[in-house]
Amino acid sequence: SYVLTQPPSVSVAPGKTARITCGGNNIGSKSVHWYQQKPGQAPVLVIYYDSDRPSGIPERFSGSNSGNTATLTISRVEAGDEADYYCQVWDSSSDRGVFGGGTKLTVL
Amino acid sequence: EVQLVESGGGLIQPGGSLRLSCAASGFTVSSNYMSWVRQAPGKGLEWVSVIYSGGSTYYADSVKGRFTISRDNSKNTLYLQMNSLRAEDTAVYYCAGLWGTSDYYFDYWGQGTLVTVSS
Repeated sequence: SYVLTQPPSVSVAPGKTARITCGGNNIGSKSVHWYQQKPGQAPVLVIYYDSDRPSGIPERFSGSNSGNTATLTISRVEAGDEADYYCQVWDSSSDRGVFGGGTKLTVL
Repeated sequence: EVQLVESGGGLIQPGGSLRLSCAASGFTVSSNYMSWVRQAPGKGLEWVSVIYSGGSTYYADSVKGRFTISRDNSKNTLYLQMNSLRAEDTAVYYCAGLWGTSDYYFDYWGQGTLVTVSS
């Protein structure tokens, strides 16, 4: 089965740029989606199809995907961005969803 | 406005059964691909099951043969029948609507319902 690997934690100072990676075998050939989850809340889609933003998501959130790594980039980080972030792909060969292990973003 | 509201969670003994429901509004369950995703306490998200609009169903290996996803079109409701429950099934269960073309993503989420499997 397909495996997505994320760093457990990333720390960044307010106003700086946070980069959260998601590794997978030839992940660049797949579409990667990203979710933000704050404590006690359901996940919220922040990036879909590698780099598209749903309405209501700030432009500070962007994504890229190439080779074996997809990246979620959060520019000008704010305290309100502190959350867990998950990457996700759909494994069409087996009709199943796959999530990365999640990354806890801490705003210093 | 799309709303997905889960219910049916609770405390259940190992080996027991439980049926979760996900009532949808502003959204037609039968016309969309729907999934269940769970999250064990303090852990990450785990995909559980999907039902396509045509009725095909698929499951994670961890629940295959024990869980059944279904829907009632007249009630616009998604279900997850969970049998032979184990302690490791303890989690918040979310229903979610999928979107996209083959590379699906979870566009809509419910608020989740907690299932605790313990004696």
